[in-house]
Amino acid sequence: GDSVTQMEGPVTLSEEAFLTINCTYTATGYPSLFWYVQYPGEGLQLLLKATKADDKGSNKGFEATYRKETTSFHLEKGSVQVSDSAVYFCASDGGSQGNLIFGKGTKLSVKP
Amino acid sequence: SQTIHQWPATLVQPVGSPLSLECTVEGTSNPNLYWYRQAAGRGLQLLFYSVGIGQISSEVPQNLSASRPQDRQFILSSKKLLLSDSGFYLCAWSVRITLSYEQYFGPGTRLTVT
Repeated sequence: GDSVTQMEGPVTLSEEAFLTINCTYTATGYPSLFWYVQYPGEGLQLLLKATKADDKGSNKGFEATYRKETTSFHLEKGSVQVSDSAVYFCASDGGSQGNLIFGKGTKLSVKP
Repeated sequence: SQTIHQWPATLVQPVGSPLSLECTVEGTSNPNLYWYRQAAGRGLQLLFYSVGIGQISSEVPQNLSASRPQDRQFILSSKKLLLSDSGFYLCAWSVRITLSYEQYFGPGTRLTVT
Protein backbone atom coordinates (compact mmCIF):
# COMPACT_ATOMS: atom_id res chain seq x y z
CA GLY A 1 0.00 0.00 0.00
CA ASP A 2 0.90 3.67 -0.05
CA SER A 3 3.38 4.97 2.52
CA VAL A 4 5.18 8.14 3.60
CA THR A 5 8.71 8.27 4.98
CA GLN A 6 10.29 11.36 6.46
CA MET A 7 13.66 12.02 7.98
CA GLU A 8 14.04 11.21 11.62
CA GLY A 9 14.70 13.98 14.04
CA PRO A 10 15.23 15.79 16.11
CA VAL A 11 16.63 18.58 13.99
CA THR A 12 18.31 21.44 15.83
CA LEU A 13 19.16 24.65 13.99
CA SER A 14 20.25 28.14 14.86
CA GLU A 15 17.97 31.05 14.06
CA GLU A 16 18.18 32.17 10.41
CA ALA A 17 19.58 28.81 9.26
CA PHE A 18 18.27 27.01 6.18
CA LEU A 19 15.84 24.15 6.81
CA THR A 20 15.24 21.00 4.83
CA ILE A 21 13.08 18.14 6.06
CA ASN A 22 13.05 15.23 3.65
CA CYS A 23 9.89 13.35 2.76
CA THR A 24 9.41 10.56 0.24
CA TYR A 25 6.29 8.65 -0.65
CA THR A 26 5.19 5.48 -2.38
CA ALA A 27 1.88 5.46 -4.21
CA THR A 28 -0.10 3.35 -6.60
CA GLY A 29 -2.01 6.38 -7.88
CA TYR A 30 -1.50 10.12 -7.86
CA PRO A 31 -2.01 11.36 -4.33
CA SER A 32 -2.03 14.90 -3.06
CA LEU A 33 0.76 15.67 -0.61
CA PHE A 34 0.67 17.74 2.55
CA TRP A 35 2.82 19.17 5.30
CA TYR A 36 1.27 19.63 8.73
CA VAL A 37 2.80 21.41 11.71
CA GLN A 38 2.14 20.67 15.38
CA TYR A 39 3.16 23.23 17.98
CA PRO A 40 3.68 21.97 21.55
CA GLY A 41 0.45 20.87 23.20
CA GLU A 42 -1.69 21.62 20.16
CA GLY A 43 -3.40 19.81 17.32
CA LEU A 44 -2.02 19.64 13.79
CA GLN A 45 -2.36 22.56 11.39
CA LEU A 46 -2.23 22.26 7.63
CA LEU A 47 0.90 24.12 6.53
CA LEU A 48 0.88 23.59 2.77
CA LYS A 49 -0.16 21.15 0.09
CA ALA A 50 0.40 20.18 -3.54
CA THR A 51 -2.06 18.23 -5.64
CA LYS A 52 -0.05 17.19 -8.70
CA ALA A 53 3.47 16.74 -10.02
CA ASP A 54 5.61 19.90 -10.15
CA ASP A 55 3.16 21.85 -7.99
CA LYS A 56 4.81 23.97 -5.31
CA GLY A 57 2.99 24.53 -2.05
CA SER A 58 4.01 27.51 0.07
CA ASN A 59 2.95 29.20 3.28
CA LYS A 60 4.64 31.29 6.01
CA GLY A 61 7.99 31.11 4.20
CA PHE A 62 7.89 27.31 3.90
CA GLU A 63 7.91 25.63 0.49
CA ALA A 64 7.67 22.10 -0.86
CA THR A 65 7.63 20.86 -4.46
CA TYR A 66 5.85 17.68 -5.57
CA ARG A 67 8.56 15.73 -7.42
CA LYS A 68 7.10 12.72 -9.17
CA GLU A 69 10.43 11.56 -10.63
CA THR A 70 12.00 11.27 -7.17
CA THR A 71 8.71 10.62 -5.31
CA SER A 72 9.61 13.39 -2.90
CA PHE A 73 8.03 16.39 -1.19
CA HIS A 74 10.81 17.97 0.85
CA LEU A 75 9.97 20.89 3.14
CA GLU A 76 12.27 23.93 2.98
CA LYS A 77 12.57 27.33 4.58
CA GLY A 78 15.30 29.81 3.88
CA SER A 79 15.60 31.35 7.34
CA VAL A 80 14.04 29.67 10.37
CA GLN A 81 12.87 31.46 13.48
CA VAL A 82 12.56 30.30 17.07
CA SER A 83 8.79 30.33 16.58
CA ASP A 84 9.14 27.60 13.92
CA SER A 85 10.06 25.09 16.62
CA ALA A 86 7.46 22.34 16.27
CA VAL A 87 6.89 18.84 14.93
CA TYR A 88 6.38 18.60 11.17
CA PHE A 89 4.41 15.80 9.52
CA CYS A 90 4.43 14.87 5.86
CA ALA A 91 1.27 13.16 4.56
CA SER A 92 -0.43 11.86 1.42
CA ASP A 93 -4.11 11.27 0.78
CA GLY A 94 -3.44 7.88 -0.77
CA GLY A 95 -5.29 5.96 1.91
CA SER A 96 -8.65 4.31 1.46
CA GLN A 97 -11.58 6.76 1.12
CA GLY A 98 -9.16 9.66 1.13
CA ASN A 99 -7.62 8.83 4.50
CA LEU A 100 -4.30 10.55 5.06
CA ILE A 101 -1.13 8.54 5.45
CA PHE A 102 1.27 10.33 7.79
CA GLY A 103 5.00 10.12 8.22
CA LYS A 104 6.30 9.71 11.76
CA GLY A 105 7.01 13.38 12.25
CA THR A 106 10.21 15.40 12.56
CA LYS A 107 10.82 17.56 15.60
CA LEU A 108 12.50 20.87 14.83
CA SER A 109 14.13 22.97 17.54
CA VAL A 110 15.42 26.43 16.60
CA LYS A 111 17.88 28.07 19.02
CA PRO A 112 18.30 31.85 19.27
CA SER B 1 -16.17 28.97 8.62
CA GLN B 2 -15.63 25.52 10.03
CA THR B 3 -14.53 24.82 13.57
CA ILE B 4 -13.84 21.65 15.48
CA HIS B 5 -14.17 21.25 19.23
CA GLN B 6 -12.83 18.61 21.56
CA TRP B 7 -13.41 18.16 25.25
CA PRO B 8 -12.16 17.82 27.77
CA ALA B 9 -8.76 19.35 27.10
CA THR B 10 -7.05 17.26 29.78
CA LEU B 11 -8.15 14.22 31.72
CA VAL B 12 -6.62 12.09 34.45
CA GLN B 13 -8.37 8.78 34.98
CA PRO B 14 -7.55 5.68 37.06
CA VAL B 15 -6.97 2.31 35.45
CA GLY B 16 -10.24 0.45 34.98
CA SER B 17 -12.42 3.55 34.80
CA PRO B 18 -14.59 4.39 31.76
CA LEU B 19 -13.78 7.02 29.17
CA SER B 20 -15.79 9.32 26.95
CA LEU B 21 -14.18 11.94 24.72
CA GLU B 22 -16.33 14.10 22.51
CA CYS B 23 -15.67 15.89 19.26
CA THR B 24 -18.02 18.17 17.37
CA VAL B 25 -17.65 19.98 14.08
CA GLU B 26 -19.43 23.15 13.04
CA GLY B 27 -19.90 24.74 9.66
CA THR B 28 -19.84 21.68 7.43
CA SER B 29 -22.11 18.79 6.52
CA ASN B 30 -21.44 15.08 6.19
CA PRO B 31 -17.73 15.30 6.94
CA ASN B 32 -15.46 12.31 7.32
CA LEU B 33 -14.43 12.15 10.97
CA TYR B 34 -11.32 10.64 12.55
CA TRP B 35 -9.83 9.75 15.92
CA TYR B 36 -6.05 9.59 16.24
CA ARG B 37 -3.81 8.83 19.18
CA GLN B 38 -0.35 10.23 19.66
CA ALA B 39 1.78 8.59 22.34
CA ALA B 40 4.53 10.67 23.93
CA GLY B 41 7.25 11.39 21.37
CA ARG B 42 5.57 9.22 18.77
CA GLY B 43 3.73 9.75 15.51
CA LEU B 44 0.03 9.61 14.78
CA GLN B 45 -1.93 6.40 15.00
CA LEU B 46 -5.32 6.35 13.27
CA LEU B 47 -7.81 4.66 15.59
CA PHE B 48 -11.20 5.10 13.91
CA TYR B 49 -12.78 6.88 11.02
CA SER B 50 -16.37 7.48 9.99
CA VAL B 51 -17.89 8.42 6.65
CA GLY B 52 -21.43 8.87 7.99
CA ILE B 53 -23.79 8.51 10.94
CA GLY B 54 -23.45 5.10 12.52
CA GLN B 55 -20.62 4.08 10.15
CA ILE B 56 -17.41 3.37 12.02
CA SER B 57 -14.23 1.76 10.72
CA SER B 58 -11.58 0.59 13.16
CA GLU B 59 -7.96 0.64 12.12
CA VAL B 60 -6.45 -1.28 15.01
CA PRO B 61 -7.85 -3.74 17.55
CA GLN B 62 -7.83 -2.17 20.96
CA ASN B 63 -9.58 -1.28 24.17
CA LEU B 64 -11.46 1.63 22.61
CA SER B 65 -14.64 2.13 20.61
CA ALA B 66 -16.13 4.99 18.66
CA SER B 67 -19.62 6.16 17.83
CA ARG B 68 -21.17 8.79 15.60
CA PRO B 69 -24.67 9.50 16.86
CA GLN B 70 -25.07 12.69 14.83
CA ASP B 71 -23.61 13.96 11.58
CA ARG B 72 -21.09 16.25 13.26
CA GLN B 73 -20.49 14.44 16.53
CA PHE B 74 -17.85 11.77 17.10
CA ILE B 75 -17.32 10.06 20.44
CA LEU B 76 -14.43 7.92 21.63
CA SER B 77 -15.15 5.55 24.51
CA SER B 78 -13.73 2.85 26.67
CA LYS B 79 -15.37 0.67 29.30
CA LYS B 80 -12.14 0.08 31.24
CA LEU B 81 -9.01 2.14 30.69
CA LEU B 82 -5.54 0.61 30.58
CA LEU B 83 -2.25 2.37 31.38
CA SER B 84 -1.36 2.02 27.70
CA ASP B 85 -4.36 4.18 26.76
CA SER B 86 -2.49 7.28 27.95
CA GLY B 87 -1.72 9.72 25.17
CA PHE B 88 -2.84 12.74 23.21
CA TYR B 89 -6.12 12.12 21.38
CA LEU B 90 -6.86 14.12 18.28
CA CYS B 91 -10.11 14.39 16.39
CA ALA B 92 -10.12 15.50 12.77
CA TRP B 93 -12.56 16.08 9.96
CA SER B 94 -12.03 16.07 6.24
CA VAL B 95 -13.69 17.18 3.08
CA ARG B 96 -12.81 16.60 -0.52
CA ILE B 97 -11.61 19.78 -2.20
CA THR B 98 -11.37 19.25 -5.95
CA LEU B 99 -8.70 16.55 -6.26
CA SER B 100 -7.59 16.20 -2.67
CA TYR B 101 -8.80 15.48 0.85
CA GLU B 102 -7.69 17.97 3.49
CA GLN B 103 -7.92 17.10 7.15
CA TYR B 104 -8.46 19.64 9.91
CA PHE B 105 -7.61 18.82 13.49
CA GLY B 106 -9.07 19.72 16.83
CA PRO B 107 -6.98 20.97 19.77
CA GLY B 108 -6.67 17.50 21.30
CA THR B 109 -7.32 15.85 24.65
CA ARG B 110 -4.40 14.80 26.83
CA LEU B 111 -5.35 11.64 28.70
CA THR B 112 -3.27 10.31 31.57
CA VAL B 113 -4.24 6.94 32.98
CA THR B 114 -2.86 6.40 36.48
